[in-house]
Amino acid sequence: AQSVAQPEDQVNVAEGNPLTVKCTYSVSGNPYLFWYVQYPNRGLQFLLKYITGDNLVKGSYGFEAEFNKSQTSFHLKKPSALVSDSALYFCAVRKAGSYQLTFGKGTKLSVIP
Amino acid sequence: DTEVTQTPKHLVMGMTNKKSLKCEQHMGHRAMYWYKQKAKKPPELMFVYSYEKLSINESVPSRFSPECPNSSLLNLHLHALQPEDSALYLCASSQEGGTSGGDPRNEQFFGPGTRLTVL
Repeated sequence: AQSVAQPEDQVNVAEGNPLTVKCTYSVSGNPYLFWYVQYPNRGLQFLLKYITGDNLVKGSYGFEAEFNKSQTSFHLKKPSALVSDSALYFCAVRKAGSYQLTFGKGTKLSVIP
Repeated sequence: DTEVTQTPKHLVMGMTNKKSLKCEQHMGHRAMYWYKQKAKKPPELMFVYSYEKLSINESVPSRFSPECPNSSLLNLHLHALQPEDSALYLCASSQEGGTSGGDPRNEQFFGPGTRLTVL
């Protein structure tokens, strides 16, 4: 079975500072990893994914994520946070041969002006 | 068109009512999903349709009945719901290659959701 851990319920960062939202995963076989963002009372928006290849993945809205196989991590990063980045962020993993997308519990990001 | 639409946006129903949630996508995606999401929690998978056939039912109570009339539409029929069924119901779709269990490289595209309140 696959699982995802997001160790922080909430991350606070000042506007203009770099941000990191942490994610670790457990899956047998190759991991297929995703980051989604959810604004209040909205659906999930896809940010980026790791399939294979470069460990640094670039996505929407200036976000990027670093895949680290030895640490089984897939942390989300942004060089300079915006107030509008404040939202709930979900990391997810999908296993080959399964439709199941397993989500972490989510991390609430608050960017302080 | 790169979006998934859901209607209605909000729904209030009594425990004896029958209602339906609707989802539509025109991206040519062949896998469609229903999720249930409680406040500040991750989405929980309910059903998966692949090529208009039900592939996954995550032990969902029979008061929830999914239907996939064609490759673009997905319905969720509701009957005799309980107050604890109140939640945000999300529809999603993804491009799948037809292989068993789908293609894990494909991201899912989510609709805005239907906020359901059961009185």
